[in-house]
Amino acid sequence: QSALTQPASVSGSPGESVAISCAGTSSDVGAYDRVSWYQQHPGEAPQLVIYEATKRPSRVSNRFSGSKSGNTASLSISGLRAEDEADYYCCAYAGDYIWVFGGGTKLTVL
Amino acid sequence: QVQLQESGPGLVKPSETLSLTCKVSGGSMPTYYWTWIRQPPGKGLEWIGYVFHNGNTNSNASLKSRVTISLDTSRSEFSLRLTSASAADTAVYYCARGRMMGFDYWGQGSLVTVSS
Repeated sequence: QSALTQPASVSGSPGESVAISCAGTSSDVGAYDRVSWYQQHPGEAPQLVIYEATKRPSRVSNRFSGSKSGNTASLSISGLRAEDEADYYCCAYAGDYIWVFGGGTKLTVL
Repeated sequence: QVQLQESGPGLVKPSETLSLTCKVSGGSMPTYYWTWIRQPPGKGLEWIGYVFHNGNTNSNASLKSRVTISLDTSRSEFSLRLTSASAADTAVYYCARGRMMGFDYWGQGSLVTVSS
């Protein structure tokens, strides 16, 4: 099972919006809506920010949103803040009770 | 509030077995996929595998021959054993509570270094 493909880095200025893509295949991202996204600050454990491609846990800001089209999922963050600077990982269910992560994207808030 | 806490040796010799335990508190164990995920220094996340509440397991094909994940519901713990450890297994190991939709609770992580 190959890792999902994410850009290595994205950046934006405070108040702007950014999007992070997560490209998979018709066997994982394209096959199920079971795509999740995780935010990881340095030295900390990842935290779930989006699940089932578009749903947001109640504790997560509504500035975070998710979408999916075909074999590609995306995480969007609006109204960028300094505290959004972190690494972001996508994860997809790939069938047969297997999960696969993306390589991660470093978000820099300029 | 569900909490997970990894424990185990921080240093393992090459060719030996890496063993970690995850203690679960604040929640019940049924219906979840109790999962291990690792992150080599400076690199991304890798799904290792899980044990379901009924004892069923599955693991990453690249690690399957070396991985054993087990569950002790009486102690609210689950464990990882990775045999024939090498430097490539040096990583922060996370335990997490899994559902089909993703991993909603994570431990703080445990750094395991494989070195002589």
